[in-house]
Amino acid sequence: AQKITQTQPGMFVQEKEAVTLDCTYDTSDPSYGLFWYKQPSSGEMIFLIYQGSYDQQNATEGRYSLNFQKARKSANLVISASQLGDSAMYFCAMKSGGYNKLIFGAGTRLAVHP
Amino acid sequence: DGGITQSPKYLFRKEGQNVTLSCEQNLNHDAMYWYRQDPGQGLRLIYYSQIVNDFQKGDIAEGYSVSREKKESFPLTVTSAQKNPTAFYLCASSILPTGEIFNEQFFGPGTRLTVL
Repeated sequence: AQKITQTQPGMFVQEKEAVTLDCTYDTSDPSYGLFWYKQPSSGEMIFLIYQGSYDQQNATEGRYSLNFQKARKSANLVISASQLGDSAMYFCAMKSGGYNKLIFGAGTRLAVHP
Repeated sequence: DGGITQSPKYLFRKEGQNVTLSCEQNLNHDAMYWYRQDPGQGLRLIYYSQIVNDFQKGDIAEGYSVSREKKESFPLTVTSAQKNPTAFYLCASSILPTGEIFNEQFFGPGTRLTVL
């Protein structure tokens, strides 16, 4: 069965520090994609970063990077130089198989303190 | 500007009533999706459609119905058969899935449905 697990219900980080949000996944498909979305209190889902299962390098997008460890089935999100505006829910999601169905984890609530 | 619109933002319904949530996109995407989000949880797929006049059930389709008469529109009806409809509903769209090629889903702002 395909599954995404986010074991950290909540995280705190000091402004300007880096933070890692954990995500582990389970799938038997050799081809899959991993996504991270940010959900502010307003509710919309904002795409942050993507990692394909065959990508050789870890994905990076500005202050976001994905620590992809395929053998461990983990895809942790690293946010560098945290900002107050980073306070939000963060969801890890996976797409596998031929369809574009996304399976989401339960999310991690990040609070950035000044 | 291109994007996805959902209306209304807040919706209140009495028990036993059907209600329809609107979702419109002008991104020229073929695929559209409906997700449900309960407090403190991730999103769960209700229905998805890859082409006009065709749609498939997701993981929690019971008590919901959809239609896809136009490429731009994918309304969701929450029927009286849905036992616990109070939730946040998100609509999304994407280009058609094509194997490993990256195709993110773009989300609308959501509709918060409360059953009184």
